[in-house]
Amino acid sequence: EVQLVQSGAEVKKPGESLEISCKTSGYSFTSYWVVWVRQLPGEGLEWMGSIYPSDAATRHNPAFQGQVTISADRSISTAYLQWSTLRASDTAMYYCARRGLRNSLDVWGQGTTVTVSS
Amino acid sequence: QSALTQPPSASGSPGQSVTFSCTGTSSDVGGYNFVSWYQQHPGKAPKLMIYEVSKRPSGVPDRFSGSKSGNTASLTVSGLQAEDEADYFCSSYAGTNTLVFGTGTKVTVL
Repeated sequence: EVQLVQSGAEVKKPGESLEISCKTSGYSFTSYWVVWVRQLPGEGLEWMGSIYPSDAATRHNPAFQGQVTISADRSISTAYLQWSTLRASDTAMYYCARRGLRNSLDVWGQGTTVTVSS
Repeated sequence: QSALTQPPSASGSPGQSVTFSCTGTSSDVGGYNFVSWYQQHPGKAPKLMIYEVSKRPSGVPDRFSGSKSGNTASLTVSGLQAEDEADYFCSSYAGTNTLVFGTGTKVTVL
C-alpha cells in the first residue's frame, strides 16, 4: 500500500525555523515527484513546489520561491519542507502528495498543521 | 501563475446532477489533457476523483465524470448523495513540472 505519512503539528514563534517531513512507503520513492501543497485556514489549495527524489530536481511556485526549501533523503524515502524564518502568515495546513497517475496527485499525506504565533 | 477559476458554490438535491467548471488558460487547462479533480471533506486530506480530464481512479463511483472544452474543464456529479457534500478543487499541469489549482467549489446537497 502506498502511504505518505507526515510529521506532527507544530507551534512556532515568528522568526523561528522549521522542517516538516513526509515519509513515503509502498512505492519507488525515486520514480515519482513529491509535491507540497499549502492550505490557508478556510482557503483553497496552493501548489508550493515539487521535488524529484531521483536527482533532487525541484520546481517552485514563484510565490514560494525563496520562502521555503524542498529537499529529499532517498535513503529513508522522505521529503522535507523547510522554513528558515517563519512568519505568522505561514500558519496553514501543509500537505505532501505523490504526483502519480498522469500528473495527478494520487496519494496524499494526512497533513501537517503549522501555527506561527507570538 | 494564476489560480484556475471555479464557481464558489454549487448545489443540488439528492439524486440530481450538478456540474461546475474550472477555467484556465492555454498555458494550463487548454494546453494539456492533465486536468484532475479532488474532493475534500472538512478536516480531511484531498482525495483524487478524476485524472487526465475524465478518468476515474479505482474505487471512485461512476457518478463522477469529467470533461474539457478549450480552456475550461468541468466536473459532473450525477445522482447526488449526502456524502458528496464537500469542497472540490481542480488542478492542471502547467508545463515544466509545475501545477496550478483551482479556487475551489463548495458543493451542498440540499
